[in-house]
Amino acid sequence: AQKITQTQPGMFVQEKEAVTLDCTYDTSDPSYGLFWYKQPSSGEMIFLIYQGSYDQQNATEGRYSLNFQKARKSANLVISASQLGDSAMYFCAMREPYSGAGSYQLTFGKGTKLSVIP
Amino acid sequence: DTGVSQDPRHKITKRGQNVTFRCDPISEHNRLYWYRQTLGQGPEFLTYFQNEAQLEKSRLLSDRFSAERPKGSFSTLEIQRTEQGDSAMYLCASSILTGGEADTQYFGPGTRLTVL
Repeated sequence: AQKITQTQPGMFVQEKEAVTLDCTYDTSDPSYGLFWYKQPSSGEMIFLIYQGSYDQQNATEGRYSLNFQKARKSANLVISASQLGDSAMYFCAMREPYSGAGSYQLTFGKGTKLSVIP
Repeated sequence: DTGVSQDPRHKITKRGQNVTFRCDPISEHNRLYWYRQTLGQGPEFLTYFQNEAQLEKSRLLSDRFSAERPKGSFSTLEIQRTEQGDSAMYLCASSILTGGEADTQYFGPGTRLTVL
């Protein structure tokens, strides 16, 4: 079963508008971490934002915020005031378990391609 | 603060040849990961090191793959007798074990392998 599901293969957003990229996850572990990465056409994965399973508040980093709904197992990325440079692939990833044994490897979704329209 | 670097950025090889990739992590990072990404997919975990010890390997890592991190600094990933199915982007990431929650992995630019 897929652990990370990103249901939007592609999204379009007008420049300066906000956009939400969806991510749902599946885990039975109470301790986990959720990450979003951006991958431009150059290929490098750029870390954007992190949310821990025990965090009480939604994570924010500049124009990025994470809408974390634990009961629904969703961790949607919100990008405010979109810029042309935001056009890229966006990947949601989960790390489990949070502590103890385990490699902290990331499990990624298939990604969403965001295109920002001028 | 330099990021993760990988060399080469691109490699074209013929089927059956051996290839080796290098990854230099962020200098103080003690954890190093290798991932493979095929077209249209997210990265998939291959293996990871804590310092010089290789602590976990994915089932994706067949016997033709071997990784080393001899002094706990840079790492190499070797693929022997390459097959066309090995064509992919090979990504290296590093993180620092601090006991904190995030243990964020920072990725290099990747090595794109094409097997003809």
